[in-house]
Amino acid sequence: DTGVSQDPRHKITKRGQNVTFRCDPISEHNRLYWYRQTLGQGPEFLTYFQNEAQLEKSRLLSDRFSAERPKGSFSTLEIQRTEQGDSAMYLCASSLAAGEDEQYFGPGTRLTVT
Amino acid sequence: GQNIDQPTEMTATEGAIVQINCTYQTSGFNGLFWYQQHAGEAPTFLSYNVLDGLEEKGRFSSFLSRSKGYSYLLLKELQMKDSASYLCAVGDNYGQNFVFGPGTRLSVLP
Repeated sequence: DTGVSQDPRHKITKRGQNVTFRCDPISEHNRLYWYRQTLGQGPEFLTYFQNEAQLEKSRLLSDRFSAERPKGSFSTLEIQRTEQGDSAMYLCASSLAAGEDEQYFGPGTRLTVT
Repeated sequence: GQNIDQPTEMTATEGAIVQINCTYQTSGFNGLFWYQQHAGEAPTFLSYNVLDGLEEKGRFSSFLSRSKGYSYLLLKELQMKDSASYLCAVGDNYGQNFVFGPGTRLSVLP
């Protein structure tokens, strides 16, 4: 296992379209996180899974955003009716278990909404 | 509320020592993390503090004072490759939610 992978690495879409991103965590990690990062800012927490259960979701997260982790392995993040303000790097991270475990980040998916 | 503050930018000379400060106010605390992020790349883990005091790991050390809501990352014997953003993050709400600071962009000059 070479780490957390994300697909696609880049996505350009027109405003109003739906997009879906995939994250494959490190295989033995049961925690999976999604973050959004814009230029010059730190990652902003979006949501987190413990196995297949979505346990936390940012209050800042619009209803247009939804995430799943159906079998407790890979996860998908969908953005419906994209807006220009959704343009950002979307990072996925995984960790083994509890909060003291370091998170391993994937390379990210850069979304550009035109 | 949740708030993490770091200096926006710092500059230091190769071979020198630099200290990057982080102050935080969060509704819960389950440890403080430092990550390094090179431009265009994902963050990579540097250190974790949950108890007060200094944690040393090679050229990097991290300090935590929970009563003051304060941490710093100390980088010794700076190298050009240390030019990156350094992110302070707090595990909030029993570790289920991570709050990242804005990052400190460090430039190491020859």
